[in-house]
Amino acid sequence: GAVVSQHPSWVICKSGTSVKIECRSLDFQATTMFWYRQFPKQSLMLMATSNEGSKATYEQGVEKDKFLINHASLTLSTLTVTSAHPEDSSFYICSARGSAGGTQYFGPGTRLTVL
Amino acid sequence: QQQVKQSPQSLIVQKGGISIINCAYENTAFDYFPWYQQFPGKGPALLIAIRPDVSEKKEGRFTISFNKSAKQFSLHIMDSQPGDSATYFCAATYSSAAGNKLTFGGGTRVLVKP
Repeated sequence: GAVVSQHPSWVICKSGTSVKIECRSLDFQATTMFWYRQFPKQSLMLMATSNEGSKATYEQGVEKDKFLINHASLTLSTLTVTSAHPEDSSFYICSARGSAGGTQYFGPGTRLTVL
Repeated sequence: QQQVKQSPQSLIVQKGGISIINCAYENTAFDYFPWYQQFPGKGPALLIAIRPDVSEKKEGRFTISFNKSAKQFSLHIMDSQPGDSATYFCAATYSSAAGNKLTFGGGTRVLVKP
């Protein structure tokens, strides 16, 4: 099956700093990547959808200036949490899809803890 | 708002038993219904998926039953094993300009007791 990786798998940072999370599709070209946030014992919440080479589409209530998404190539998307605060602590998961209507494959997630 | 309602929230089953998870959706435009399995601290993994032109799909011990008229679908895990203990999410999506966003159910935590 298709493989999606995320780096780092966990990160601890101080309040006010920025953190970048990478999402890579290892064996296929991802025309679309999605970023999710998951709180403990809850479902996945879609934050934004990004297509390669274009601006991300953010879900209602997600601050685009706080969660910067870049999808510069068909195998890489990045999520940067700017000026992170403790309430941004969460499990961030990306997914990638090769074609419209295709299956979404999820990365292993990144645990962000903001002190 | 598009919703997918999932039940139960949690489930305990004995080893060898059948785990049944149900989902109901509202949007009749949905045309793809995947199930994901998630272990603690890991990302979801696609388990099995179905399209509405099929009423049942089986892959190993996992079966999806789909009732289009009732707008419901369910996951059956036969001969449940302790290794099946995980959280299961149903989801739904449809082809649209919005990019085939998945709408997830709330999840079901399954515990299989040995």
